[in-house]
Amino acid sequence: DSGVTQTPKHLITATGQRVTLRCSPRSGDLSVYWYQQSLDQGLQFLIQYYNGEERAKGNILERFSAQQFPDLHSELNLSSLELGDSALYFCASSPGDTTTNEKLFFGSGTQLSVL
Amino acid sequence: GNSVTQMEGPVTLSEEAFLTINCTYTATGYPSLFWYVQYPGEGLQLLLKATKADDKGSNKGFEATYRKETTSFHLEKGSVQVSDSAVYFCALRDKISSGSARQLTFGSGTQLTVLP
Repeated sequence: DSGVTQTPKHLITATGQRVTLRCSPRSGDLSVYWYQQSLDQGLQFLIQYYNGEERAKGNILERFSAQQFPDLHSELNLSSLELGDSALYFCASSPGDTTTNEKLFFGSGTQLSVL
Repeated sequence: GNSVTQMEGPVTLSEEAFLTINCTYTATGYPSLFWYVQYPGEGLQLLLKATKADDKGSNKGFEATYRKETTSFHLEKGSVQVSDSAVYFCALRDKISSGSARQLTFGSGTQLTVLP
């Protein structure tokens, strides 16, 4: 158990809808990262938050947004969903902001299926 | 930009066979290199890492050596077990931007199945 909790584990929705994925980092970790894992794109970095502020942005679509709350949990919002958004979404956490070589701790993911 | 290329899977081996999963990288600086493993139904876990040229990372019988001259970080294990069945991801983190956030760039993953 990595200590990172993601909910829900599975989500089935329809095109055009909006969903929210939730992540609770390990106790004491200030950084939260979101990754998308799909068959054709592999594991893609979406966005990172550090202590409530956006720290880095990767291949995140404009239809997607995220935030980190004062209690350090994070939410990833996906809107106007398309079939191609079906993927496994991972959250990871780390103590700092990755300026060192600290490792990331991954949650078990949320499987999103857009029908 | 940075990129990681892994050998395509899936790889199927018999128990006690020798394993090599190739990984090469492209980076503009001098990255740190990692292997992560993803067991069925779980998130990724760090398996091993190397932070500079000629470093060897090792863990649970797995090894990988940071080869700057060939820009490679191949994963090896002398005798695989059924419990090693998982997806293995090679990754890099660059060191160019001191003090700024540096993200992990992952390869596409290699599915390993070990048969008894």
